[in-house]
Amino acid sequence: SQTIHQWPATLVQPVGSPLSLECTVEGTSNPNLYWYRQAAGRGLQLLFYSVGIGQISSEVPQNLSASRPQDRQFILSSKKLLLSDSGFYLCAWSRGGENNEQFFGPGTRLTVL
Amino acid sequence: GQNIDQPTEMTATEGAIVQINCTYQTSGFNGLFWYQQHAGEAPTFLSYNVLDGLEEKGRFSSFLSRSKGYSYLLLKELQMKDSASYLCAVRPPYNQGGKLIFGQGTELSVKP
Repeated sequence: SQTIHQWPATLVQPVGSPLSLECTVEGTSNPNLYWYRQAAGRGLQLLFYSVGIGQISSEVPQNLSASRPQDRQFILSSKKLLLSDSGFYLCAWSRGGENNEQFFGPGTRLTVL
Repeated sequence: GQNIDQPTEMTATEGAIVQINCTYQTSGFNGLFWYQQHAGEAPTFLSYNVLDGLEEKGRFSSFLSRSKGYSYLLLKELQMKDSASYLCAVRPPYNQGGKLIFGQGTELSVKP
């Protein structure tokens, strides 16, 4: 069966510090991978998606970036965090192709102070 | 552009039936999804509609009308554990990595 992992589960960082969130998927090959952010009481905002190694599509211009160094690894980064980067970050995967549901990881709750 | 509308919150009674509506105006359409999200947890997949009509899955059903840009999620025999946020999401047309555009979610409170 497939599983998706995210770490860390929670993170408190000062403004201006760097960020690295990691997501890995097990039990599948060539997945589509996604990063979402959810502000308190709000819906999910798609940040990045990837259909293969090294292929990243950005949905919202901001100070975040994403990388996919391996088939089942997706990393969200920032060089300098802003207060507005606080939120619940969710990684998701779906089977390759266009018609499959997405499965979400447990999320990382980020607080920027 | 993309616009997906859901009511912000709803309240219903245990054992009753509730219908959560979702309307969308998007640049193309390739399917509509419903997810359930309990507070502090990740969303979990409930249903998928790509053709008009009703899809039934146990106590949960989802309906789609593509011509009206409208969907609803129907929850029957409500239980306290159904208290959660329900997210409507639209999939844009092909060649966009299967991404989803989410609405703001409907917070459902089930009362005894």
